[in-house]
Amino acid sequence: LAKTTQPISMDSYEGQEVNITCSHNNIATNDYITWYQQFPSQGPRFIIQGYKTKVTNEVASLFIPADRKSSTLSLPRVSLSDTAVYYCLVGGFMDTGRRALTFGSGTRLQVQP
Amino acid sequence: GAVVSQHPSWVICKSGTSVKIECRSLDFQATTMFWYRQFPKQSLMLMATSNEGSKATYEQGVEKDKFLINHASLTLSTLTVTSAHPEDSSFYICSASDPLNTIYFGEGSWLTVV
Repeated sequence: LAKTTQPISMDSYEGQEVNITCSHNNIATNDYITWYQQFPSQGPRFIIQGYKTKVTNEVASLFIPADRKSSTLSLPRVSLSDTAVYYCLVGGFMDTGRRALTFGSGTRLQVQP
Repeated sequence: GAVVSQHPSWVICKSGTSVKIECRSLDFQATTMFWYRQFPKQSLMLMATSNEGSKATYEQGVEKDKFLINHASLTLSTLTVTSAHPEDSSFYICSASDPLNTIYFGEGSWLTVV
C-alpha cells in the first residue's frame, strides 16, 4: 500500500486559496489519488479524485505532476466552514473492485476570520 | 455523489452485550464494503474488508470473533460487536466503492459501552 505524507497542520484566513501537498513516492501504476474532508464526529466526505494531470470540480482542484509522486489539493477562497482534517489517500484495485484505502494522519486545516 | 448510510448514528450498550451496526449503499450496489474505527483525535484504522457472499477479510490484530461482519446483500453490510467492553467504545465508519470506482464513507456510528 502506498504511504502518503502530508503536513500535520496548516493555518489560513478566510478568502485565501489553500494548497495542501501530499507526497506518495511509491504510488502504484493503477492507484488513484483521492482527497477527503472530515469534520469531528462525521465520516470522511469525498472531495476530489484523480489519476494524472489536473482535475477540477465545484469545490476544489487537484494537481498531479507527471511522475505522480505527489499531488496538491487546492481549495479556492476558503471559509470558516472549511476548517477540518483533510486526508490524501492513494489506492488501487483488487479482483472485486477498489482496494481499501489506508489513512495517514491527515492535515488539520484551521481557517481564521 | 453516491450515498452510504449507517445506522444507528449512536448507540449505548451495557458491557457484555452485543450491538449491530448497519451500513447501506443507498443508490448503488457494492460488492465490497470496508469497516474502520476511529478513536478521538486519531485517524481512521481499517478493520476489515466485507465481501458480499463470502467471509470478511480482517486486518492484522482485529479479532474476527469479536467483530462479526456479514455482507448478505449487495447493499448491506453489518458489523456486530460481540460481548462489548468499554475499550470497544469508538467511532465506527463504513465505506463502499460505487460503479465509478469512487469510495464513499458513511456518516459513522458512535458506540459507547458502559
